[in-house]
Amino acid sequence: DIQMTQSPSSLSASVGDRVTITCRASQSINRNLNWYQQRPGKAPKLLIYGASSLQSGVPSRFSGSGSGTDFTLTISSLQPEDFATYYCQQSVSTPPEYTFGQGTKLEIK
Amino acid sequence: QITLNESGPTLVEPTQTLTLTCTLTGSSLSTARVNLGWIRQPPGKALEWLALIYWDDDKRYSPSLKTRLSITKDTSKNQVVLIMTNMDPVDTATYYCAHLTAGTYSVPGSRFDYWGQGMLVTVSS
Repeated sequence: DIQMTQSPSSLSASVGDRVTITCRASQSINRNLNWYQQRPGKAPKLLIYGASSLQSGVPSRFSGSGSGTDFTLTISSLQPEDFATYYCQQSVSTPPEYTFGQGTKLEIK
Repeated sequence: QITLNESGPTLVEPTQTLTLTCTLTGSSLSTARVNLGWIRQPPGKALEWLALIYWDDDKRYSPSLKTRLSITKDTSKNQVVLIMTNMDPVDTATYYCAHLTAGTYSVPGSRFDYWGQGMLVTVSS
């Protein structure tokens, strides 16, 4: 089974800050990595797929990079609505499994 | 626009079987490339993928829960059903139905791009 490890588990930042969240896979997943945002009490929302493709309607301040085992989600200038929990998810296993990371909670400083 | 709506019991007793239904609108399960899955989230914890049924009726399950899960679809009702047996209090969670768009060689990353609002299922006697 492929394990997904996010860091940090929580993060405090201010509006306007640049923030980076990291996701590491226990083995290579090429670019089969997606990022989701979840606000309290809401369903997750897809932000980035294929490591770096921005989902339609998602603001351009969100970006993703990486391949193989190491990936990052960057928010270039935090907005108040960005304070949420972020999850990575892999989809490369054979047979397919859709493993999520443990989440990174982004809080207001 | 695809929308998903989960339905089922909000309270089940330990050892009982849970049956959840996901109703799809804005698309058809008879359409090629429509894949639906289930993901759950215990209170305050991370997301956990449970099962997926592909457009061609292929089915995949989380290895850790495989023996307890069954996923089926009814194309006439445009519904997907998840059955989980032998429920335990640790299975208390919000259960989400989600649409999966499969990745390709040129555009990788099979991703859950539409989600239902989720429903909280509590396991308690």
